[in-house]
Amino acid sequence: DIQMTQSPSSLSASVGDRVTITCQASKGITNYLNWYQQKPGKAPKLLIYDAFNLAIGVPSRFSGSGSGTHFTFTISSLQPEDIATYYCQQYDNLPLTFGGGTKVEI
Amino acid sequence: QVQLAQSGAEVKKPGASVKVSCKASGYTLSTYGISWVRQAPGQGLEWMGWISARNVNTNYAQKFQGRVTVTTDTSTNTAYLEVRSLRYDDTAVYYCARDYFDGSSRPYYFGLWGQGTLVTVSS
Repeated sequence: DIQMTQSPSSLSASVGDRVTITCQASKGITNYLNWYQQKPGKAPKLLIYDAFNLAIGVPSRFSGSGSGTHFTFTISSLQPEDIATYYCQQYDNLPLTFGGGTKVEI
Repeated sequence: QVQLAQSGAEVKKPGASVKVSCKASGYTLSTYGISWVRQAPGQGLEWMGWISARNVNTNYAQKFQGRVTVTTDTSTNTAYLEVRSLRYDDTAVYYCARDYFDGSSRPYYFGLWGQGTLVTVSS
């Protein structure tokens, strides 16, 4: 199975800050990497697919980059509604695997 | 409105089985594959398995092979996850999630999720 390692596991930032989360794959996965947002008690929501494509309706302050084994997720200007846990997910190989999550707090 | 509505919370004893349902509305279930993803309390997301559009095939994480079955009932537009021989560490919220693309030959990512079903395994 491909292991996905996210860092940091949690972070605290202020409204308006730039927030960056990284995700490292245990083997190269080209750009087969997605990012989800999960708010407490809710199902995950797809934000970014194929490493950098914004899902429909997702604000442009969210972005993704990277390829191979190293990927980055960025919130350009943190908003109060962005408080959530963020997960990366690879689909290069089955089983699909997720990173451990990054909890973003204000 | 396109949505997935899951069945309610369950409490089961160790060794028992549970069957969680996921009813699709606003679209025909058989046009998209469905995955099941679980989340233990305070933990991350774990993909369990997938059934393709039109029930052509299934794929399970090795960890769950033989203990988990994913099915669909086209007459009721409902997908099911059955977990057998439940253990305490199966306590989790179980989510169904729809493939982003219709007719996919394998799961990639998910644009539509159910609300989750809490399964508690307790003696």
